[in-house]
Amino acid sequence: EDQVTQSPEALRLQEGESSSLNCSYTVSGLRGLFWYRQDPGKGPEFLFTLYSAGEEKEKERLKATLTKKESFLHITAPKPEDSATYLCAVHGTQGGSEKLVFGKGTKLTVNP
Amino acid sequence: IAGITQAPTSQILAAGRRMTLRCTQDMRHNAMYWYRQDLGLGLRLIHYSNTAGTTGKGEVPDGYSVSRANTDDFPLTLASAVPSQTSVYFCASSQRGGNTDTQYFGPGTRLTVL
Repeated sequence: EDQVTQSPEALRLQEGESSSLNCSYTVSGLRGLFWYRQDPGKGPEFLFTLYSAGEEKEKERLKATLTKKESFLHITAPKPEDSATYLCAVHGTQGGSEKLVFGKGTKLTVNP
Repeated sequence: IAGITQAPTSQILAAGRRMTLRCTQDMRHNAMYWYRQDLGLGLRLIHYSNTAGTTGKGEVPDGYSVSRANTDDFPLTLASAVPSQTSVYFCASSQRGGNTDTQYFGPGTRLTVL
């Protein structure tokens, strides 16, 4: 059974204090690993898809990396507007994309 | 382009009542999904549809039904609501056909069953 564990559950940073969020996963084979951002009261917003170990993708202050066991979302010099819950999800080789498995998320708070 | 719209935004419902949550997408995606999100449990798939005319059960389908009469609409019906169905419901869509596909989410419906 595919599994996703995100850590930490919550993270508080000062503005400009860089850090990383972790997504550990167990799948029989990986088709894709997804990162989403979710603001309070809103739906998840797609950020990145990573397909294979060693792949990296960047968007503004965010950089996602992937190994065979985990993914990191690096946040460089965060701003208060980066505060949100970040969700990780994996799509394994067993089944279609209805088999997407989500982690419980990391709630990031960036204080000014 | 609106993407995915959901209605209503929020609803308070008496137990035992029937309720339909609406979802419409304008991206012409072939696949659509319904999730519920509960504190501490994350997103869980209720039902999905790979293409118009077909539906499938997800992780937590009991008490819910769906239909997919056309590409754009994917309503979720609670035949007789119970308090445990209090949750935030998200509709999503994706274009299936490759190795994997990205799901895009709507804004959600917050449902309270009393």
